[in-house]
Amino acid sequence: EPEVTQTPSHQVTQMGQEVILRCVPISNHLYFYWYRQILGQKVEFLVSFYNNEISEKSEIFDDQFSVERPDGSNFTLKIRSTKLEDSAMYFCASRAYSGGGDTQYFGPGTRLTVL
Amino acid sequence: AQSVTQLGSHVSVSEGALVLLRCNYSSSVPPYLFWYVQYPNQGLQLLLKYTTGATLVKGINGFEAEFKKSETSFHLTKPSAHMSDAAEYFCAVRGGGADGLTFGKGTHLIIQP
Repeated sequence: EPEVTQTPSHQVTQMGQEVILRCVPISNHLYFYWYRQILGQKVEFLVSFYNNEISEKSEIFDDQFSVERPDGSNFTLKIRSTKLEDSAMYFCASRAYSGGGDTQYFGPGTRLTVL
Repeated sequence: AQSVTQLGSHVSVSEGALVLLRCNYSSSVPPYLFWYVQYPNQGLQLLLKYTTGATLVKGINGFEAEFKKSETSFHLTKPSAHMSDAAEYFCAVRGGGADGLTFGKGTHLIIQP
């Protein structure tokens, strides 16, 4: 069964450094997402991406964050200058269709630790 | 704006007993509702979802949930718990034109032997 993959599984970085988290969505999917989960808290929506542009973003997704689909398979989340509070599990998700009830399929996550 | 409340951050049941995980939502429009499960060190896996039509929804692994509009609830049940059901369960809502899912805080299900 096709699945969303994410690399790396764990990333450790120093405060102020740039990080890029990578995701390979399911191949025929058109809509892509990033979520994060700070330890002990709920999963929070960051951004959605469709047709090579951001379609929706939350208040969390400020100027420090950016997303890109550099080729036909990868979807990346860049954090320009990491802060301690960016430490979290970051999940990528994708879905195929435009229907509101269509399923978002999640990857296994990247645990980001900012020191 | 949507919101989700999951009552009980931890629920413990005996193997073979009924599992009931509670979820209440708030949405200004008819919502789409989802239950996801997260096993240790894994991503979120869809258990079941409600979009339209039948309010009793059956999912994988013997789970089901009933959409009750009057109670704004979407509780998850399973008649007989199995040790393999031990995991974190998340209720989520999508609606009102929003693309992203709004999640509850999750319920950690513990199965006692």
